Amino acid sequence: QVQLQESGPGLVKPSETLSLTCSVSGDSITTYYWNWIRQSAGKGLEWIGRLRTGESATYNPSLKGRPTMSVDTSNNHLSLKLTSVTAADAAVYYCATSGPQGFDVWGPGTMVTVSS
Amino acid sequence: DIQMTQSPSSLSASVGDRVTITCRASQNIRRYVNWYQQKPGRAPKVLIYAASNLRNGVPSRFSGSGTGTDFTLTISGLQPEDFATYYCQQSYVSLPFTFGQGTKLDIK
Repeated sequence: QVQLQESGPGLVKPSETLSLTCSVSGDSITTYYWNWIRQSAGKGLEWIGRLRTGESATYNPSLKGRPTMSVDTSNNHLSLKLTSVTAADAAVYYCATSGPQGFDVWGPGTMVTVSS
Repeated sequence: DIQMTQSPSSLSASVGDRVTITCRASQNIRRYVNWYQQKPGRAPKVLIYAASNLRNGVPSRFSGSGTGTDFTLTISGLQPEDFATYYCQQSYVSLPFTFGQGTKLDIK
């Protein structure tokens, strides 16, 4: 069973770029569709984007071109960069696999605070 | 985007009760609905996929139904571990994926 673990800086300053990593163990990163999802008190669960190796990423239009997802197959991890962050980007960020059974494997999440 | 409107937003019930949570999609999404349970401090966990399919390991007291725009999650015989927040999510072909706003189920 694949297992996921998110990591990141915890605190990001407004206008800076948020960088998160999702480490994948138990299976090859090339097997799955990969997603980033975030959860904030104000907006509930919000899907950020999806990526699979060999395919272009698809992002939520509501994020207006700010996210970039990538996969590092040599190190078996997934990355998310989100530019020009504001307080509205403060949330718990999850990586998750997706398929016919929905978002079926999730990491425990990493909390991000946006503050100067 | 496809909007998912979930109701009620909160619900109080007792152990042994039968509860129903509904989700309405803003357009026909056939059976592309999944249901999740989330406990405090934990990631969501999928319970039901494709409207009515029980994920392996999920107790049979959970069931889902619906097609088109109207969907329900039913828990028959509430157990203490079922008190949590529940979300619907649409996985129709047109991205972005979207979630309902959640239903918090607590003990009466």
